[in-house]
Amino acid sequence: AQTVTQSQPEMSVQEAETVTLSCTYDTSENNYYLFWYKQPPSRQMILVIRQEAYKQQNATENRFSVNFQKAAKSFSLKISDSQLGDTAMYFCAFMKVPGNQFYFGTGTSLTVIP
Amino acid sequence: DTGVSQNPRHKITKRGQNVTFRCDPISEHNRLYWYRQTLGQGPEFLTYFQNEAQLEKSRLLSDRFSAERPKGSFSTLEIQRTEQGDSAMYLCASSRGGTSSYEQYFGPGTRLTVT
Repeated sequence: AQTVTQSQPEMSVQEAETVTLSCTYDTSENNYYLFWYKQPPSRQMILVIRQEAYKQQNATENRFSVNFQKAAKSFSLKISDSQLGDTAMYFCAFMKVPGNQFYFGTGTSLTVIP
Repeated sequence: DTGVSQNPRHKITKRGQNVTFRCDPISEHNRLYWYRQTLGQGPEFLTYFQNEAQLEKSRLLSDRFSAERPKGSFSTLEIQRTEQGDSAMYLCASSRGGTSSYEQYFGPGTRLTVT
């Protein structure tokens, strides 16, 4: 079975500052993907960033980057230059390969303070 | 690409009633997924379709739940004899096949409240 743990229920950051959201996971699989999804208030979930487990290089998407530590089963999300629009619930998710279903963490509610 | 749509957005029903939700995926996506999200939790997988075939079902999908995708396009999720524990957000997602299945696009969800 796969489990995903997000130990920070709530976080806040000043606008333009950097924040890191933590995620750990447990799996016996060797091939998998990891994801961060963003769920703004009353809006649908959107993909922020994806990491393939076989890739050692950390994924980056503009202001968003990850720190993937496969041996430690850790997958944190760094948001640089935080913007008010980054305020949302952030979910870490795991999907084995091949596979079809996500395993989500419980989420971290991020508030960007002007 | 108009995105994944779900109807209704909100549904309030009395315990014991049946409810049906609809999901319209992105038109070129042949895979469709249903998830349930309760308050304070991440989404949990319920079931998955490839075209019209239902290929995987979670143990969360009790006998009161049934999902269909009759023509491989839109899907419906029906809950019979609703219980208060069914109150949740029901999310639909869609994806292409192959390696693109690892990128799922979510709809806005249907929030069900059972009174």
